[in-house]
Amino acid sequence: QSALTQPASVSGSPGQSITISCTGTSSDVGSYNLVSWYQQHPGKAPKLMIYEVSKRPSGVSNRFSGSKSGNTASLTISGLQAEDEADYYCCSYAGSSTFEVFGGGTKLTVL
Amino acid sequence: EVQLVQSGAEVKKPGESLRISCKGSGYSFTSYWISWVRQMPGKGLEWMGRIDPSDSYTNYSPSFQGHVTISADKSISTAYLQWSSLKASDTAMYYCARGHYGDWGYWGQGTLVTVSS
Repeated sequence: QSALTQPASVSGSPGQSITISCTGTSSDVGSYNLVSWYQQHPGKAPKLMIYEVSKRPSGVSNRFSGSKSGNTASLTISGLQAEDEADYYCCSYAGSSTFEVFGGGTKLTVL
Repeated sequence: EVQLVQSGAEVKKPGESLRISCKGSGYSFTSYWISWVRQMPGKGLEWMGRIDPSDSYTNYSPSFQGHVTISADKSISTAYLQWSSLKASDTAMYYCARGHYGDWGYWGQGTLVTVSS
């Protein structure tokens, strides 16, 4: 069982927007603005899409955005494209005993 | 260009030891922590631990503490992940990644470790 809870799957049509939630606790997501999101295509290494809750690395499309409210972080993808179909993982810092924890991952299907 | 290049796939028997590597290039190796991440077949990502190459200080996930050892040789810009006695359940893809608190912007290509009798 993962430390952070994500929906197993989400889907949307091209052009639509979707949001993936990532629920933790007051010991991780709720305590630190150190939530990141990763995209992983089959057989590939993960790619950083969002860090520190809402910051986008250089080169990542502005269709990807992140936010946080309380113990839940969210990744929103607007203007869905076929290439967005992938697995998405959230990650949070969880203090000096546990350090980093991932969510279980969400499979995004573009219909 | 920043690169993390990992060692090749390994096939081992239970009880054997193993060390896999991750060589950084294109940046100051001692300026960024290196983390190791496990992905078991068909499963999600799990953070194992990290090392600060500047002083070899390590942190481990409680789930992996005592089961693996992370080390680094800054003279050759290489981080390592090692096991003293492999189990079948260690079969997985292992990634190294550069960054600090979850901002791992650069990843290695992964090393597939297969443990089977």
